[in-house]
This record gives sequence, C-alpha cells and structure tokens, in this order.
Amino acid sequence: AQSVTQPDIHITVSEGASLELRCNYSYGATPYLFWYVQSPGQGLQLLLKYFSGDTLVQGIKGFEAEFKRSQSSFNLRKPSVHWSDAAEYFCAVGARGGATNKLIFGTGTLLAVQP
Amino acid sequence: NAGVTQTPKFRILKIGQSMTLQCTQDMNHNYMYWYRQDPGMGLKLIYYSVGAGITDKGEVPNGYNVSRSTTEDFPLRLELAAPSQTSVYFCASSYEGAGDNEQFFGPGTRLTVL
Repeated sequence: AQSVTQPDIHITVSEGASLELRCNYSYGATPYLFWYVQSPGQGLQLLLKYFSGDTLVQGIKGFEAEFKRSQSSFNLRKPSVHWSDAAEYFCAVGARGGATNKLIFGTGTLLAVQP
Repeated sequence: NAGVTQTPKFRILKIGQSMTLQCTQDMNHNYMYWYRQDPGMGLKLIYYSVGAGITDKGEVPNGYNVSRSTTEDFPLRLELAAPSQTSVYFCASSYEGAGDNEQFFGPGTRLTVL
C-alpha cells in the first residue's frame, strides 16, 4: 500500500541551527515526492518536488531535499533556520495510474524555532 | 489572480444541521480536491474532481457530497452534521492531477459541530 511516514511529530530548533525533517515512503513504482509547508492559519504551499534526475532538489526559502531510493527516504534540510520557518511541514507521495492521480500525505512535522 | 478562495473561514454548526462549504479557483485548473485536516492526522482526501461534471470519492467521503457544475467552483455539502465532522477543511486545485503537479490550496474553513 502507498503510504508516507513522518516519524517526528514535533521538532524544536534554535534559530541559525541546521534542520533535517525525516520522511519515508512506500510506493510500488518510481515515486513522485513533494514537501509542502503550512504556516499557522494558512493553506499549504509547495516547497519542492522530486520527479526524476538529480536526487538533490532545491526548493523555495532555502530548503533542499534528497531522494534516497535505497532508504525509501526524502528528507528535508535547511542549513540555517530562520524564525519565520516555524510551521508544519508535510511530505507527500504522488499516487498515479489509471483514474487515480492524487497526493498521499504524511501526518506532518510541527517545527518550532527558538530565538 | 485570487487563486483558491474558500468561504466561510469559520462556522459553528449544531448536530443535524446542514451547510455548504464554497470553493472557487480562478486558475482554470481541471482538478479540484477537498481535504480535511485533523490534529496529528495529516490531510485526508474527501472528494475530488477531474473536470466539470466529474467527481469521485476519496478516502473519507461518508457524510459529504460534492458537485462540479463549472470549472471554477467545487462546493462541499455536509448533510446532518455530526461532531466527528469538526475539522479544518481545505480546498485545492491543480492543472492536472496532483500526483505529478503542484497543488494550490485555499486558506481553509474551520468547522465546529456541537
């Protein structure tokens, strides 16, 4: 079955520190992978996506993610966190094929940033 | 472009009441989606549509109905509201399927059923 696991429910980092948010997926074919961010009281916004090619993808707001097929992972990273990065982050896999074309979301990781 | 707009932003319903959550997009997107978001559960797909006149069930369709008479609008109808429908509801759209295209989300509707 297709699924996405985000093992960390809540992470707190200090401003200026590096960040890594974990994401593991289960998908039978080559996955299309996404990271979305949800700021408080807002809808979700796309940070980055991986379809094929270079396994290290760059996104908006200085984020990057690395696709590792051997580990079924797509972890999100940022070298230096800013206070404005406090938000909830969702990893998702694109379920495609036949009449199905939709996203399967993980449960999210809530990021808090300490001054 | 306004993107994806949702109304209302907040609503309190009594058990057994009905209501319609409105969603409109001005990006000429073919695909539209309704999700509900519950704490610690991520987003669950309620219904989706691949074009005007075509809708299909997602993971959690019970207690909801949708229609898609135009490309722009995708209202979600709650009949006989129940406390289990207390949630935040998001509408989203994409030009083609969300499995391989960026989805654009509305700001959400926070619904409480008492």
